[in-house]
Amino acid sequence: AQSVAQPEDQVNVAEGNPLTVKCTYSVSGNPYLFWYVQYPNRGLQFLLKYITGDNLVKGSYGFEAEFNKSQTSFHLKKPSALVSDSALYFCAVRDGGSYIPTFGRGTSLIVHP
Amino acid sequence: EAGVAQSPRYKIIEKRQSVAFWCNPISGHATLYWYQQILGQGPKLLIQFQNNGVVDDSQLPKDRFSAERLKGVDSTLKIQPAKLEDSAVYLCASSLERQPTGELFFGEGSRLTVL
Repeated sequence: AQSVAQPEDQVNVAEGNPLTVKCTYSVSGNPYLFWYVQYPNRGLQFLLKYITGDNLVKGSYGFEAEFNKSQTSFHLKKPSALVSDSALYFCAVRDGGSYIPTFGRGTSLIVHP
Repeated sequence: EAGVAQSPRYKIIEKRQSVAFWCNPISGHATLYWYQQILGQGPKLLIQFQNNGVVDDSQLPKDRFSAERLKGVDSTLKIQPAKLEDSAVYLCASSLERQPTGELFFGEGSRLTVL
């Protein structure tokens, strides 16, 4: 079985400050982890993924995520937030035997000017 | 490269009526997914196709929902009869292959309101 949790419904951050959006997961095998972003009235857009290798993964729009196996976490980060980063962020996981990703409930990121 | 196309973008119906949503995936993508996204929740898989065959429909409410992908390209999701709790955004996604490591490409969704 696979599951993912996003413990924060909303994250508020000032423009220019670093941001972190949290994600923890549970899988029975090796995890394949993804972050997607959803802007208002739009579909989800792929940001980045962890499959194997370096624990720090870099993605689109300056985002990165750190895979931590011992803590079963895959937090999304950005060194300096922009107002335009305000959106819904979804973490998703697949284990090695599954072809279907399971999505978290999403975290609303609000970046204040 | 054209993205995943969905229509209609918005639909309002009364309960017990029927509705159909259409999806055209990215050219060459063999795998197609329909997700239901209720307000405040993450997307929940309804059905997955590989070419024109169903791979997983375990979470599809088959008494009222149906989906098909007859020629392995376009897909249609139908709800009949609709219930109030079916109000949601219906997202279509596609991927190049049926692999755990591949990302999904989503359409903009079809927002259904059932009155």
